[in-house]
Amino acid sequence: QKEVEQNSGPLSVPEGAIASLNCTYSDRVSQSFFWYRQYSGKSPELIMSIYSNGDKEDGRFTAQLNKASQYVSLLIRDSQPSDSATYLCAVNRPRITGGGNKLTFGTGTQLKVEL
Amino acid sequence: DTGVSQDPRHKITKRGQNVTFRCDPISEHNRLYWYRQTLGQGPEFLTYFQNEAQLEKSRLLSDRFSAERPKGSFSTLEIQRTEQGDSAMYLCASSPPQGSNTEAFFGQGTRLTVV
Repeated sequence: QKEVEQNSGPLSVPEGAIASLNCTYSDRVSQSFFWYRQYSGKSPELIMSIYSNGDKEDGRFTAQLNKASQYVSLLIRDSQPSDSATYLCAVNRPRITGGGNKLTFGTGTQLKVEL
Repeated sequence: DTGVSQDPRHKITKRGQNVTFRCDPISEHNRLYWYRQTLGQGPEFLTYFQNEAQLEKSRLLSDRFSAERPKGSFSTLEIQRTEQGDSAMYLCASSPPQGSNTEAFFGQGTRLTVV
């Protein structure tokens, strides 16, 4: 079992729709969770972080965390063509010496927003 | 200083040559990470510095790889006797010193091609 699992996609949604991206993780002691957006050929860009169960909203983005189910998701409302990218789920493994953020990434979900 | 800076952005080298990459983190960040990303995969953790101390190294970091952060500011990653399998995007990230659940921000990456 992979430590962080994502459906590779592509996930295609029409412009203006809600895109739902999902991620599961295997390490129950994981403490913090991040969503990064990565355009082709570019580096990952942090878009959301979430640390406690429930929802966290930031503009058109909502991150949802359910630690009991070991599940984290990202909702993108009013999807735009510029949202077309690969979305990487990252999980913090807390046992790194001296604190810090040793992230384990999924393989990413490719999102395509169609006109 | 608006973000993590990496140099060079691209490097093409012949197999067997040594290469060195540089990373300048966000100025107030004392934590610095190196990751490697290959096509279709998420970034994989290589090593972590807190100030000048290298606190953790992945098993991915073979003895051909060495990383330094001599004054707790910029860091270098050297690969000796490069192999074609070293071709990847090498990503540097930094995070601030508060606790372990902190956001990590990536630089633009250095794309290495070994021919």
